[in-house]
Amino acid sequence: SQQGEEDPQALSIQEGENATMNCSYKTSINNLQWYRQNSGRGLVHLILIRSNEREKHSGRLRVTLDTSKKSSSLLITASRAADTASYFCATVLDTYSGAGSYQLTFGKGTKLSVIP
Amino acid sequence: DGGITQSPKYLFRKEGQNVTLSCEQNLNHDAMYWYRQDPGQGLRLIYYSQIVNDFQKGDIAEGYSVSREKKESFPLTVTSAQKNPTAFYLCASSPFGTGSEQYFGPGTRLTVT
Repeated sequence: SQQGEEDPQALSIQEGENATMNCSYKTSINNLQWYRQNSGRGLVHLILIRSNEREKHSGRLRVTLDTSKKSSSLLITASRAADTASYFCATVLDTYSGAGSYQLTFGKGTKLSVIP
Repeated sequence: DGGITQSPKYLFRKEGQNVTLSCEQNLNHDAMYWYRQDPGQGLRLIYYSQIVNDFQKGDIAEGYSVSREKKESFPLTVTSAQKNPTAFYLCASSPFGTGSEQYFGPGTRLTVT
């Protein structure tokens, strides 16, 4: 099944800097979602962006989607130590290709460390 | 206080034993999901259920079984047929089923020796 791939695998920045993570995918999607996971915990939904949207904002988060390049980016502005976590993109296909097609498929994540 | 609960947080079992992981939600969501996460990896879908008394296999269903007798509950049994059961298991639910945002429980870390 299709899978998003996040880049970079790990990112270390100073508090106050911006963090940018990218996600690439292979086939047409219905929507793309970003989640955060603190170490050893469950995931928390951040933003959902649909295939007909190009940009969405939520607080310090900005997500863009370029369907022509099959890629998305997550920008966290003015990062804080509490933003330290792994960030995952997850895609939902827009066409049926077997059981589970319309379910979320997760990438391996970007591990963000924000140094105080 | 709404949410998804998973118990226990840590679970230890001997090889060859079946073990059942609990997942309960009081969010009134129709859809529920089970994922497996291995170190440094993303989540892989084991089973999902869009409605009570119905469930579907995900990408890695072999060696697992589920039931959905109540809307609030979606227990996962890891059977002895699962070749590499040690992992972090996450349960999730969503209000609108297919393709919508999911709400996750805190996870159960299963160690089989």
